[in-house]
Amino acid sequence: DGGITQSPKYLFRKEGQNVTLSCEQNLNHDAMYWYRQDPGQGLRLIYYSQIVNDFQKGDIAEGYSVSREKKESFPLTVTSAQKNPTAFYLCASSPTGDTQYFGPGTRLTVL
Amino acid sequence: GENVEQHPSTLSVQEGDSAVIKCTYSDSASNYFPWYKQELGKGPQLIIDIRSNVGEKKDQRIAVTLNKTAKHFSLHITETQPEDSAVYFCAAGTGNTPLVFGKGTRLSVIA
Repeated sequence: DGGITQSPKYLFRKEGQNVTLSCEQNLNHDAMYWYRQDPGQGLRLIYYSQIVNDFQKGDIAEGYSVSREKKESFPLTVTSAQKNPTAFYLCASSPTGDTQYFGPGTRLTVL
Repeated sequence: GENVEQHPSTLSVQEGDSAVIKCTYSDSASNYFPWYKQELGKGPQLIIDIRSNVGEKKDQRIAVTLNKTAKHFSLHITETQPEDSAVYFCAAGTGNTPLVFGKGTRLSVIA
């Protein structure tokens, strides 16, 4: 946690809707990351950004989109193209590109 | 790319006993190995890390060892307490690319 905040803590979505998860950090970290966590699957990388206005796809980017317009913000949009979006979403940031610090997470449930 | 294997997936120990979790990695370029503790419903917290120029690091009841030749590293928790019960993740990285995580070990400390 520390200086990384995620909102909301719980989010419910109807099928076919896009939703945006917020991630903000006041640690002045350059790099930010989004992970998806499913039971027994560990942490899977969705997108990451090493600098403002630049981001790269991770291992499971399909159905997701991101933006990095400000250093402190890295929002994640879960689109209707994501077939199974119900999961726990974690945002992280890093000052150096190796040590990562995680936010408290957002639990997304599709109704 | 990097692949991290973590064992065991579940571990039960009696309070006061030691717990050991092991990870192997595939990329010899990896030089940074953190360990995270995740409590239920929360984001992972960094508990200890080690870099490839060090073979062992200790912080109170927690220690990590690294064998670069065999490409494996381990987390050791001594004198376990009920509050040590959580999911533990290992990870490996180079600093230029995002960390790759193991699938986690659920540790249960039985009082």
